Amino acid sequence: QKEVEQNSGPLSVPEGAIASLNCTYSDRGSQSFFWYRQYSGKSPELIMFIYSNGDKEDGRFTAQLNKASQYVSLLIRDSQPSDSATYLCAVSEGGGADGLTFGKGTHLIIQP
Amino acid sequence: DAGVIQSPRHEVTEMGQEVTLRCKPISGHNSLFWYRQTMMRGLELLIYFNNNVPIDDSGMPEDRFSAKMPNASFSTLKIQPSEPRDSAVYFCASSFDLHGAFFGQGTRLTVV
Repeated sequence: QKEVEQNSGPLSVPEGAIASLNCTYSDRGSQSFFWYRQYSGKSPELIMFIYSNGDKEDGRFTAQLNKASQYVSLLIRDSQPSDSATYLCAVSEGGGADGLTFGKGTHLIIQP
Repeated sequence: DAGVIQSPRHEVTEMGQEVTLRCKPISGHNSLFWYRQTMMRGLELLIYFNNNVPIDDSGMPEDRFSAKMPNASFSTLKIQPSEPRDSAVYFCASSFDLHGAFFGQGTRLTVV
């Protein structure tokens, strides 16, 4: 059974600092990796995807992938109070056309 | 684009009643997913369609659950008969390419 593991938190980070969110996955056949943000009472919102080992940057967000270690991370630079949310890691054997397996999420709190 | 549209947003029903959830995917997307989210189990993939054809329904918990996609712009998830343990937020999501799935606002189902 495919599993995606995340620390549930809460992870508390001061405003302006770097928030680091981590995720491990069990299926070595996974090819596509996604980070979603979910505010309380709202739906998951796609913020980044990554397919290749290494780093991928998009604005204040950087996704990091290490397939050998089956590890994905998300860095949020210059954290803002509006970044406070639950961050969900998701993996897929194929691309977005396949069903995603989600972790249970990490609750991030940015302290003003 | 209006995004993925789900209805109703909230549903309260009595145990034993039939419940039908509806979803309109983003125009042009060829994959559609139904997810269920609870505090205990997180986001679970129930079923997904590709080009209106069900590809994987292994996540459907019981025969009480059924899903259809009669055309590219509409899908339903039906629970008959409903039970209190079906109470959850049900999300529909759609995707087109390898870049992840986009979620609707969800239907909060309460079975009393």
